[in-house]
Amino acid sequence: KQEVTQIPAALSVPEGENLVLNCSFTDSAIYNLQWFRQDPGKGLTSLLLIQSSQREQTSGRLNASLDKSSGRSTLYIAASQPGDSATYLCAVSPGGSQGNLIFGKGTKLSVKP
Amino acid sequence: GAVVSQHPSRVICKSGTSVKIECRSLDFQATTMFWYRQFPKKSLMLMATSNEGSKATYEQGVEKDKFLINHASLTLSTLTVTSAHPEDSSFYICSAITGYEQYFGPGTRLTVT
Repeated sequence: KQEVTQIPAALSVPEGENLVLNCSFTDSAIYNLQWFRQDPGKGLTSLLLIQSSQREQTSGRLNASLDKSSGRSTLYIAASQPGDSATYLCAVSPGGSQGNLIFGKGTKLSVKP
Repeated sequence: GAVVSQHPSRVICKSGTSVKIECRSLDFQATTMFWYRQFPKKSLMLMATSNEGSKATYEQGVEKDKFLINHASLTLSTLTVTSAHPEDSSFYICSAITGYEQYFGPGTRLTVT
């Protein structure tokens, strides 16, 4: 059974700092991996999607890497800003299917001005 | 990007009543939609996969008679929580797939009193 773990559960950093969020999954047979942002009481915003054949994706200050063989992904946020404060969720789509996402519990990020 | 809407965004109902939540894909057709549930400080959990014109596929442990899903058109799926109880209080999120990407609705906060 696929399990997704995110470390740390919470993180507080001063503005401007670079940071890394970690995600691990137990079954390397995945279709893709996504990183989402969730603001309190809100839905999900997809940040980056990495297909199983890819190793990383970049969007602005965000960079996500995928090491399928070791079951790990990282989300790197450069020059963090208070507006980056949110919960970041990692989710994998099991091999052979799309859409049936298995989520981690998230990392709650707080960027202090 | 593609837009998925949910209605209502918040609902409070009395124990024993039924509540219907709508999920719409506004600018694309979705043959498959998904329903997730998120309890406080827990991962989003997939409840069911909704296929247009056919019966929904429920995840293990989800009562199909309690959580009725109807996907009557390519742009609309509904989740009805029947005979709601306080333990059904949660954040319900739907999503829909187009191409390689999955788009999420803003969520519905259900509170059962």
